[in-house]
Amino acid sequence: GDSVTQMEGPVTLSEEAFLTINCTYTATGYPSLFWYVQYPGEGLQLLLKATKADDKGSNKGFEATYRKETTSFHLEKGSVQVSDSAVYFCALSDRKGNLIFGKGTKLSVKP
Amino acid sequence: EAQVTQNPRYLITVTGKKLTVTCSQNMNHEYMSWYRQDPGLGLRQIYYSMNVEVTDKGDVPEGYKVSRKEKRNFPLILESPSPNQTSLYFCASSHRDGTDTQYFGPGTRLTVL
Repeated sequence: GDSVTQMEGPVTLSEEAFLTINCTYTATGYPSLFWYVQYPGEGLQLLLKATKADDKGSNKGFEATYRKETTSFHLEKGSVQVSDSAVYFCALSDRKGNLIFGKGTKLSVKP
Repeated sequence: EAQVTQNPRYLITVTGKKLTVTCSQNMNHEYMSWYRQDPGLGLRQIYYSMNVEVTDKGDVPEGYKVSRKEKRNFPLILESPSPNQTSLYFCASSHRDGTDTQYFGPGTRLTVL
């Protein structure tokens, strides 16, 4: 079945460091891909998405490119801030239109 | 304000005592879904609904029931809770299905003793 694998955390970075969180997927067909973020004590919220190969999603300085050839959707940010500390979830939409999530990666940014 | 609300936010109960977690959205969304979040397992879908009176099982439906009598409400029912249902539960809604932006509620932390 469809699945999402993302890098294990936690990830700890200093402020202004470069961030990469790896995400790869297995799916039949051509799913849409998502990154959701969960700030402490809150529900998830959509960070960015891409609906077809080579699309780049971007928001709040974060970017991810839909790579069909490597079945990947890695999340990047050039300069992280303390306020980016959160849990990040990669997800894909299956053929029924439901989301399948990765296990999440906790990011801690130190001043 | 567009939002998904869940009640209660926190609940401690005992094995076998029926409970309902309510979920309501004010965005006229057709699609609603319940997830549970457990450490090391991420989010797993319990049930979803594509519209009123249309519900279907997700990946982990055992021990749960849902209903969708009105578009805005999607309650989660645990008829006989067990300790392995201790978890953090999220309700979410979106316009059409999971490919649209899903809006999540604040979560309900359930402990079953």
